[in-house]
Amino acid sequence: GENVEQHPSTLSVQEGDSAVIKCTYSDSASNYFPWYKQELGKRPQLIIDIRSNVGEKKDQRIAVTLNKTAKHFSLHITETQPEDSAVYFCAASRSNSGGYNKLIFGAGTRLAVHP
Amino acid sequence: GAVVSQHPSWVICKSGTSVKIECRSLDFQATTMFWYRQFPKQSLMLMATSNEGSKATYEQGVEKDKFLINHASLTLSTLTVTSAHPEDSSFYICSARHSGREHNEQFFGPGTRLTVL
Repeated sequence: GENVEQHPSTLSVQEGDSAVIKCTYSDSASNYFPWYKQELGKRPQLIIDIRSNVGEKKDQRIAVTLNKTAKHFSLHITETQPEDSAVYFCAASRSNSGGYNKLIFGAGTRLAVHP
Repeated sequence: GAVVSQHPSWVICKSGTSVKIECRSLDFQATTMFWYRQFPKQSLMLMATSNEGSKATYEQGVEKDKFLINHASLTLSTLTVTSAHPEDSSFYICSARHSGREHNEQFFGPGTRLTVL
């Protein structure tokens, strides 16, 4: 079945450094890849997403890259700040499938940004 | 826009009782809603896909008779945990797919923390 692997499970960086989280997916028909930030006890918040027709997307300090051939995508956070500390989840889905566009989530990465 | 609410935000119940959780899309119509379960320090696991006016589609390993889903309108889906047991204690989160937006984008509710004693 569909599977999304995410690494690392934990990531600790100093404020101002960059953070990179990587995911690989198994379903070659996947065409939508969102990234969510979840703080403790809260709902996942969409921070950026990318579709399979582009290789990179950037929004201020956050960027996502996609390599369809290798079936992996990455989240890049530059100039990290303490408020970036949270759990980040990648996900993958494909449209117009019998599964009604269901998202398959990675296991999550706990990011800690130290002042 | 695209706000999803859940009610209740938390609930404590005795073992053997049933609990109903509501998921509402407040400012948009959602033909499809999704129900997830999240255990502490784990990822979101999809339980079922709820489609307005039809039966829900359950993921493998999820008991449809235990987790009853009703999607009676374009803005409301309910999840009923029947005969709850302590192992059902978890964070239940719904999401809704906005019918008028990009076809994959989902908006999440704030979650319901269920504790079964």
